[in-house]
Amino acid sequence: QKEVEQDPGPLSVPEGAIVSLNCTYSNSAFQYFMWYRQYSRKGPELLMYTYSSGNKEDGRFTAQVDKSSKYISLFIRDSQPSDSATYLCAMRGNDYKLSFGAGTTVTVRA
Amino acid sequence: DAGITQSPRHKVTETGTPVTLRCHQTENHRYMYWYRQDPGHGLRLIHYSYGVKDTDKGEVSDGYSVSRSKTEDFLLTLESATSSQTSVYFCATRFEGADTQYFGPGTRLTVL
Repeated sequence: QKEVEQDPGPLSVPEGAIVSLNCTYSNSAFQYFMWYRQYSRKGPELLMYTYSSGNKEDGRFTAQVDKSSKYISLFIRDSQPSDSATYLCAMRGNDYKLSFGAGTTVTVRA
Repeated sequence: DAGITQSPRHKVTETGTPVTLRCHQTENHRYMYWYRQDPGHGLRLIHYSYGVKDTDKGEVSDGYSVSRSKTEDFLLTLESATSSQTSVYFCATRFEGADTQYFGPGTRLTVL
């Protein structure tokens, strides 16, 4: 069983819709949670960073962490075609080694 | 891409041949990483470096070796390439004490 599980999708939504992405994990030592965005044929780039449980909002993006359920989410409001990408969750304990989910490919249709 | 370049960007090689991939950074970051990305697996850590000549294994290190003789360069070597090593390889760097890893553009390797 993988440490981090993420539904690979693909997910296709109309422009303006809310995109909901999530990951589950099994390692209770994970405390730092990230979402990376990866455009086609590019390297991933950090999108959101959250420590421990709670919510974090940045513009149209909201990251949620529920450590009791070992579940993290990313919401994209008012989605745009430019949000079309693969979104990877990542997390770590105290050793700075990241464990990644498989990535969810999102397409926002104009 | 935070000043990270990878070379070559694309390579096709044959089974059994040695291959070296290069990662070059201009940010003076102490930590450097090599990942491979495969469908259904996401990014998996191959090796990482925490300083010049200081390296350690990741979760999928078998068949790979690394070297770091200068802060700015981190080399990944496949001693004898196999078809299972066909993948996209990403280098990443991290500033000490920070969480953000900055990724390079990737190298697409095909082993026939």
